[in-house]
Amino acid sequence: SSDLIQPPSVSVSPGQTASITCFGDNLGEKYVSWYQQRPGQSPVLVISQDIKRPSGIPERFSGSNSGNTATLTISGAQPMDEADYYCQAWDSDTALFGSGTKVTVL
Amino acid sequence: QVQLQESGPGLVRPSQTLSLTCTVSGVSVTSDNSYWSWIRQPAGRELEWIGRIYIRGTAKYNPSLTSRVTISADTSKNQFSLKLKSVTAADTAVYYCARVTLMPLAATFAPDALAQWGHGTLVTVSS
Repeated sequence: SSDLIQPPSVSVSPGQTASITCFGDNLGEKYVSWYQQRPGQSPVLVISQDIKRPSGIPERFSGSNSGNTATLTISGAQPMDEADYYCQAWDSDTALFGSGTKVTVL
Repeated sequence: QVQLQESGPGLVRPSQTLSLTCTVSGVSVTSDNSYWSWIRQPAGRELEWIGRIYIRGTAKYNPSLTSRVTISADTSKNQFSLKLKSVTAADTAVYYCARVTLMPLAATFAPDALAQWGHGTLVTVSS
């Protein structure tokens, strides 16, 4: 089981906003990264250090982190955003992954 | 452009040792600003961090696997490797290698994100 808890699934209509949460003790005191994993593919980094988008990641992806909860927001979701999303943080130089959220765009 | 590629047997017998290699291109494994990490994912399950190596320091492992895992590097080939001993069916998974970028923190540095990943390789443990 994971130390970082995510909802198993989130559904969103095309063009609407999807929010994916990640819960962990004092998570706001750590930097959180988010990864997108399409079926049959390896994960891709979409957010680092809570809010930073790597080069090539669309502006519709944004992040926040406060208290015990980090959030990945997809503003104006597209069909291509349908994937599993994982949060990740470091604790004592050990990587922790969230339980994963399946985002469905329909 | 940083690229990583996993290689190794796709089938391992129970109680044997799983051995995988990750070949890195586009950056040296001796880079000061990178950790090199292994992650696995059983079918339909979440990602599990196995461990990492930093060329200028020690390796660090997932506490749940530390008694069975060794991660090492071959700088002459720009590769790093994973060995997992005494495998069981529970070790069946897709195994990924990844590069972890480091960020400055106070007078030292800290791990940031798993910025680049390999395509993954499926390892099945079965007799």
